[in-house]
Amino acid sequence: SQKIEQNSEALNIQEGKTATLTCNYTNYSPAYLQWYRQDPGRGPVFLLLIRENEKEKRKERLKVTFDTTLKQSLFHITASQPADSATYLCALDPSGGYNKLIFGAGTRLAVHP
Amino acid sequence: DVKVTQSSRYLVKRTGEKVFLECVQDMDHENMFWYRQDPGLGLRLIYFSYDVKMKEKGDIPEGYSVSREKKERFSLILESASTNQTSMYLCASSPGTGYSPLHFGNGTRLTVT
Repeated sequence: SQKIEQNSEALNIQEGKTATLTCNYTNYSPAYLQWYRQDPGRGPVFLLLIRENEKEKRKERLKVTFDTTLKQSLFHITASQPADSATYLCALDPSGGYNKLIFGAGTRLAVHP
Repeated sequence: DVKVTQSSRYLVKRTGEKVFLECVQDMDHENMFWYRQDPGLGLRLIYFSYDVKMKEKGDIPEGYSVSREKKERFSLILESASTNQTSMYLCASSPGTGYSPLHFGNGTRLTVT
């Protein structure tokens, strides 16, 4: 079955540094991959989508890469701030466009002043 | 902005009760979804609907049913609540086209005692 793995341990970094989160998947070749942010007690909020033919996507301080050979996506936050502290989820769609996303368990990021 | 509203933030129910979780979206989206989120397991898809009166099972449909009588409303029904259904329930919607992000509500935390 399709499986998505994210680092279950929290990532602690210092303000101003770059945070890098990893998403690995198996048994699937997704056409695209999405990243979401989730704050405690709230629903996930969409951040970025990257397609299989895109190596990299940027949005302000966020950057996502997608390596279909390694079956891996990396999510970077540059110049991190305490307000970036949250859980970040990656998701892919095995349903061929119905948006029936399957999600990783998420990685909790804590940015310390 | 798309708004997905879940009727309750917190619910406490007894084992064996019939439970209704309601979700409404205001952006005329075709697709609607119910996920549950448990620590370490991530979001798991229970049911989804791609049109009024249409529904399909997700990965963990057992013990649940759904209803979509109007485009904007998608209800999740626990026919006979059990303690293992204690969880955070998240509703989401998306346009009918592929490669679209999901828009989530803020969740209903259900406790079954």
